[in-house]
Amino acid sequence: EAQVTQNPRYLITVTGKKLTVTCSQNMNHEYMSWYRQDPGLGLRQIYYSMNVEVTDKGDVPEGYKVSRKEKRNFPLILESPSPNQTSLYFCASGSGELFFGEGSRLTVL
Amino acid sequence: QQPVQSPQAVILREGEDAVINCSSSKALYSVHWYRQKHGEAPVFLMILLKGGEQKGHEKISASFNEKKQQSSLYLTASQLSYSGTYFCGTDKPSNDYKLSFGAGTTVTVRA
Repeated sequence: EAQVTQNPRYLITVTGKKLTVTCSQNMNHEYMSWYRQDPGLGLRQIYYSMNVEVTDKGDVPEGYKVSRKEKRNFPLILESPSPNQTSLYFCASGSGELFFGEGSRLTVL
Repeated sequence: QQPVQSPQAVILREGEDAVINCSSSKALYSVHWYRQKHGEAPVFLMILLKGGEQKGHEKISASFNEKKQQSSLYLTASQLSYSGTYFCGTDKPSNDYKLSFGAGTTVTVRA
């Protein structure tokens, strides 16, 4: 079954404590991307990757890092989370049509 | 830069029609449409490419006016299952897939 898997699905953390949200896809897609969703703002792209070792900034990259060492994985790293990064995060992969993960709800206190 | 969607919300009765608009201030290569039901991930509806034909999905269709840098999504004879938030996504002629989504249009279909 075609899947994009994100972990964790829910996380409450404190300001400054580094965290990583993992994303894995089983469809051999070259393209992967991270979005954050906030009320009234829709889906905003954080980073995207066109292939292994190829990443680029989206519209809201500040405070985030990514890496693409393997084709199937595209982790999102928050080095020093702040409360304004409290959001619902989606990972997506695709070739034309995007397949989204189920989302990771992150709360930073 | 995010495209602009209108209206922000629309309420319909079953069987009624609606139009959702998506516009960009920049030249577009393609327009993507997704629907997200409450508590779920967005799901792909269709892609419209520059110079391509109008696309359809069930009784949902869309058009792409390249010159006006706009796309419209048409919900025809709406069904309860059409309820959700619709997002348009746009990318630029460089086609590096920097896909930016609008803020969304919430559609509520009532019996």
